[in-house]
Amino acid sequence: AQSVSQHNHHVILSEAASLELGCNYSYGGTVNLFWYVQYPGQHLQLLLKYFSGDPLVKGIKGFEAEFIKSKFSFNLRKPSVQWSDTAEYFCAVNALNRDDKIIFGKGTRLHILP
Amino acid sequence: NAGVTQTPKFQVLKTGQSMTLQCAQDMNHNSMYWYRQDPGMGLRLIYYSASEGTTDKGEVPNGYNVSRLNKREFSLRLESAAPSQTSVYFCASERGYGTDTQYFGPGTRLTVL
Repeated sequence: AQSVSQHNHHVILSEAASLELGCNYSYGGTVNLFWYVQYPGQHLQLLLKYFSGDPLVKGIKGFEAEFIKSKFSFNLRKPSVQWSDTAEYFCAVNALNRDDKIIFGKGTRLHILP
Repeated sequence: NAGVTQTPKFQVLKTGQSMTLQCAQDMNHNSMYWYRQDPGMGLRLIYYSASEGTTDKGEVPNGYNVSRLNKREFSLRLESAAPSQTSVYFCASERGYGTDTQYFGPGTRLTVL
């Protein structure tokens, strides 16, 4: 079965620092990839997604992610974080042409120090 | 356009009690999902409905049942609540099935004593 790994469980950064959150998945075929964000006390919402085309995907609030097929990775990046980016971030993968549903990673809790 | 709504927002149950969590979406989406979120475990799929009239088990279905009442509504029932079911429950909907963005409700925080 497919799986999704998020390497960092808890990340603490200062404002203006650069961010990279790792995400790796196990399925070797065609995939749809997602990053969702959950701000404190709120529900999950989509940050960005990759279905096909340019492997560098830009999302909301200055986030971007790069799909590297050879590394089975979809890492999330932001050049300069803000205090308001404090949230939990979830990577999710859907393996196409399989019966598996979308699988979420365990999440990375990001804390930005003002 | 309310999106995905869930009721109740909070609930406290005693072990053995039953309850139903309600979910509705007004986006004419085909698929609906129930997840539970536990610290350090991420989101785990309980049940899903790929289309009206169909339901299927996810990763952690034991102790739960679901009903896809119509295209809009998808309820989750706990027949005999257990402390292990203490969690935050999220409902989500999707236009397609597994290939599109999921839209989440605000969640139900359930405590089972």
